[in-house]
Amino acid sequence: AQSVSQHNHHVILSEAASLELGCNYSYGGTVNLFWYVQYPGQHLQLLLKYFSGDPLVKGIKGFEAEFIKSKFSFNLRKPSVQWSDTAEYFCAVNSLTDSWGKLQFGAGTQVVVTP
Amino acid sequence: EAGVTQFPSHSVIEKGQTVTLRCDPISGHDNLYWYRRVMGKEIKFLLHFVKESKQDESGMPNNRFLAERTGGTYSTLKVQPAELEDSGVYFCASSQRLWNTEAFFGQGTRLTVV
Repeated sequence: AQSVSQHNHHVILSEAASLELGCNYSYGGTVNLFWYVQYPGQHLQLLLKYFSGDPLVKGIKGFEAEFIKSKFSFNLRKPSVQWSDTAEYFCAVNSLTDSWGKLQFGAGTQVVVTP
Repeated sequence: EAGVTQFPSHSVIEKGQTVTLRCDPISGHDNLYWYRRVMGKEIKFLLHFVKESKQDESGMPNNRFLAERTGGTYSTLKVQPAELEDSGVYFCASSQRLWNTEAFFGQGTRLTVV
């Protein structure tokens, strides 16, 4: 079955540390890739997206992600996290070979940033 | 511009009762999706409307779940009768297109069946 895997379920780090969250997917063919974030008490919101072109995409709040097609990966990075980055992060895939528009999510990674 | 709104934000019901969740998508978004997250699990697709038509309902768990989208505007998701395993957070999302587009999510409805 096609799937999206996030490597870590929980990450705890200190402010100013670097963050990298892994995401791998099993879909072949063309995909749209997303990272969504859910801050405590808030709705899911888009952090960044990849449709085509430059595989290094920049999102809001200093986040970036790199699409590596050969590795079926779309890892999220931030060089220096802040306490306000405490949230749950979700990788999601929309595949041309599957039902268009439908998102397949990873299990989510809970990130806690300590002061 | 108003975002996707969902009602209620929380609902606690007894097993066997009926609950109806509502979603108002962003105006002009033909595509409306329902997702569910059971505690500790990933967010899973339930179904997809294009305007008032069900495009894909492959994720609906069973026939206790009924989704409608009146006139291609708001949508309701009814669970009847509710079971304990239906507990979770139900998300609604909407988008303008099917591809190369972002889906906008509501805040979710937390359903607890006791």
